[in-house]
Amino acid sequence: GAVVSQHPSWVICKSGTSVKIECRSLDFQATTMFWYRQFPKQSLMLMATSNEGSKATYEQGVEKDKFLINHASLTLSTLTVTSAHPEDSSFYICSAYPMPEDSIGSYNSPLHFGNGTRLTVT
Amino acid sequence: QKEVEQDPGPLSVPEGAIVSLNCTYSNSAFQYFMWYRQYSRKGPELLMYTYSSGNKEDGRFTAQVDKSSKYISLFIRDSQPSDSATYLCAMSGYSSASKIIFGSGTRLSIRP
Repeated sequence: GAVVSQHPSWVICKSGTSVKIECRSLDFQATTMFWYRQFPKQSLMLMATSNEGSKATYEQGVEKDKFLINHASLTLSTLTVTSAHPEDSSFYICSAYPMPEDSIGSYNSPLHFGNGTRLTVT
Repeated sequence: QKEVEQDPGPLSVPEGAIVSLNCTYSNSAFQYFMWYRQYSRKGPELLMYTYSSGNKEDGRFTAQVDKSSKYISLFIRDSQPSDSATYLCAMSGYSSASKIIFGSGTRLSIRP
């Protein structure tokens, strides 16, 4: 259970174009999804928290007009890299955890990740 | 000082050895502790997660949490070449609004 699907797995685009990455929770609902960026041999850097039905929360230093996030349903969040440049080339990974089954305390299921999208901007 | 410290390695051990991976942290509010395995060009895969202190075992993997020392460990018994990957520790507070903080990852290589 708790499968997160990410598409596409890799994409090459020209500088100045926009790229959309989809993140779907396949067997659970997720009011919150997270978008990470990872450079080679480095750890995950949280870019933004995607909230279903409301605006995303961006981490400091992440340009919200460049990295557009839409969380239109409980199973889908999208990240659009607008006017991509070579420095945007990276590995983008989404994650989510299932909604709590009860209202006591915090989430009771850990974070599950998609398989990532490798973006190359030429 | 980073909230979570993890030796980046690389760590190379022979097949069959016991592997010990560790992380230290500074935030006493952390309650959930996770270990992820990440193969090259793939997303992290959840291996183990624990709440508060104690041990948890799953097959060849054992996770330990010592909150008094702010130290967590992942042990891999009878290591296999297929265990070669980057291992990330992660932790968060009790609230669902708590951010999950990741270690930098340890690159592990199991030599046949």
